[in-house]
Amino acid sequence: DAKTTQPTSMDCAEGRAANLPCNHSTISGNEYVYWYRQIHSQGPQYIIHGLKNNETNEMASLIITEDRKSSTLILPHATLRDTAVYYCIVRVAYQAGTALIFGKGTTLSVSS
Amino acid sequence: NAGVTQTPKFQVLKTGQSMTLQCAQDMNHNSMYWYRQDPGMGLRLIYYSASEGTTDKGEVPNGYNVSRLNKREFSLRLESAAPSQTSVYFCASSEESNVLTFGAGSRLTVL
Repeated sequence: DAKTTQPTSMDCAEGRAANLPCNHSTISGNEYVYWYRQIHSQGPQYIIHGLKNNETNEMASLIITEDRKSSTLILPHATLRDTAVYYCIVRVAYQAGTALIFGKGTTLSVSS
Repeated sequence: NAGVTQTPKFQVLKTGQSMTLQCAQDMNHNSMYWYRQDPGMGLRLIYYSASEGTTDKGEVPNGYNVSRLNKREFSLRLESAAPSQTSVYFCASSEESNVLTFGAGSRLTVL
């Protein structure tokens, strides 16, 4: 799996957009970008994933650069409940006999 | 729809004691996983099971054993607990994708 680099921490004001970057310069053509988040000590929660096109769902948007070497997770209107650790993971869609490996992620702090 | 259920939620053990963490999912997922998370750290994969009847080691398997009892259940056993195994343990399941559903976690303290 390609290695990802994320900032250790970020701050965001409530109601503003939170833009979380992720670098994955060694990504392969068949590897997807996945985002998960972990609120306090709860189990991680899946947010979104994409291959090369931008993706949007009810939780967030994922913007992947044209060369696919970096991506940005966007929370359009951050709330206090979005304070969490956000994990960016690059991986093939499915590979039998393997599993997701999580890094340390970005701690996002949303304040009022 | 309960999703992924882990028991117990909290456990305190003495060094050398054994215990089993239970995990059950009701989503008919093929794959199940056990991760551990130490304070200030990301998740580390202990064992996983791609399908019923198969199990594979992850990043940190030493000191643990697993059993995929059936499609629904995947248990994690500590035969002789050590203080280094004090952690929060998460079970997860997925279909043939990397979209995992996690349980709420089991907090284990080994004295």
